[in-house]
Amino acid sequence: GQNIDQPTEMTATEGAIVQINCTYQTSGFNGLFWYQQHAGEAPTFLSYNVLDGLEEKGRFSSFLSRSKGYSYLLLKELQMKDSASYLCAVRDIYNAGNMLTFGGGTRLMVKP
Amino acid sequence: ETGVTQTPRHLVMGMTNKKSLKCEQHLGHNAMYWYKQSAKKPLELMFVYSLEERVENNSVPSRFSPECPNSSHLFLHLHTLQPEDSALYLCASSLRTSGYNEQFFGPGTRLTVL
Repeated sequence: GQNIDQPTEMTATEGAIVQINCTYQTSGFNGLFWYQQHAGEAPTFLSYNVLDGLEEKGRFSSFLSRSKGYSYLLLKELQMKDSASYLCAVRDIYNAGNMLTFGGGTRLMVKP
Repeated sequence: ETGVTQTPRHLVMGMTNKKSLKCEQHLGHNAMYWYKQSAKKPLELMFVYSLEERVENNSVPSRFSPECPNSSHLFLHLHTLQPEDSALYLCASSLRTSGYNEQFFGPGTRLTVL
């Protein structure tokens, strides 16, 4: 089976930087995704990591360490519209035909 | 707009009703998925279709019955549901089921079972 852990809630201030962590345990790691989901809306893709290191995409960056089973999503220059849930999802080749397993999501609240 | 549409957006049904959820993707993808999202629980994968063949059925009760008539359409037929089946049902699609193939999600159907 798989275990994906991320904090349930986080609060940060507009303009600041926030780091959302995700730890996972898998048998056959084959990629990690981050999705953003605003309340009442569909999840939208943010980033993908399959090799160790940092992937940067504008204000958002995602980091992966496969040896530690660890990833984080870094959000810079926070804006009010960044208030949303952030979902970590892992692909495991031994899980249900290479399907994604999602963590419970981290609800981020950005305050003025 | 992600290119994945779902109807209806909201559905209220009794436990003896039969209803269907519809998903359509306009992205030319070959894989389609049904997920269940309950309050305070992770997204749960229910079914996966690749090239119109079901490749995964994640121990879902038989009161949920999927149908994929072609690569652009996916249905979820519902009958004799229970109140605990109330949730947001999300459809997603991807080009393939492996590798770097991000899934594009529809807006979901908010289902309430009375």
